Amino acid sequence: AQKVTQAQTEISVVEKEDVTLDCVYETRDTTYYLFWYKQPPSGELVFLIRRNSFDEQNEISGRYSWNFQKSTSSFNFTITASQVVDSAVYFCALSGSLNSGGYQKVTFGTGTKLQVIP
Amino acid sequence: DGGITQSPKYLFRKEGQNVTLSCEQNLNHDAMYWYRQDPGQGLRLIYYSQIVNDFQKGDIAEGYSVSREKKESFPLTVTSAQKNPTAFYLCASTLNGAKNIQYFGAGTRLSVL
Repeated sequence: AQKVTQAQTEISVVEKEDVTLDCVYETRDTTYYLFWYKQPPSGELVFLIRRNSFDEQNEISGRYSWNFQKSTSSFNFTITASQVVDSAVYFCALSGSLNSGGYQKVTFGTGTKLQVIP
Repeated sequence: DGGITQSPKYLFRKEGQNVTLSCEQNLNHDAMYWYRQDPGQGLRLIYYSQIVNDFQKGDIAEGYSVSREKKESFPLTVTSAQKNPTAFYLCASTLNGAKNIQYFGAGTRLSVL
């Protein structure tokens, strides 16, 4: 069974502060994928990143960075110098191997609501 | 612009009524999905379809039905058997070559009158 835990329900930071969103996962698959999605107030989820289980390199994209550590089953997301536009709900998700039908179930965490205060 | 269009944005259901949520995509994606989102919860899969005229139940299919007559369209019907339909419903589709990167519509918020 797959499980994704986002223990932080809500976080508030003042603009320009750095913030880290935690994600811990459980899976028995040796090949798996991890994701982060952003859900702004408009409602649609926006894909941010996908990493596979064989690639533990940290990734940086502008003010966003991701720290993947298999040893602790974590895939944390850091926003540097936060801005008001970063206010949203952020979901971590996990997908396992393809089943025989080519379908990969995606398990979502419960989300972390980030509020950036101007 | 390519994307996923969900309509209506808000929908109200009366007791005993079936309602249908629309989902249309022009991304040429093969697979489409319906999720339900409740406050403080993650997304739960209702139904998915990998190809036209075929669909599979997800984790919470009871009280819902779908059809996939066209590649572009995957409507979801919330039937009267669904006793707690109030939620935010999201439709998604996936790239043909990367079946786990999901692209989402803007959602439909369903409430019971």
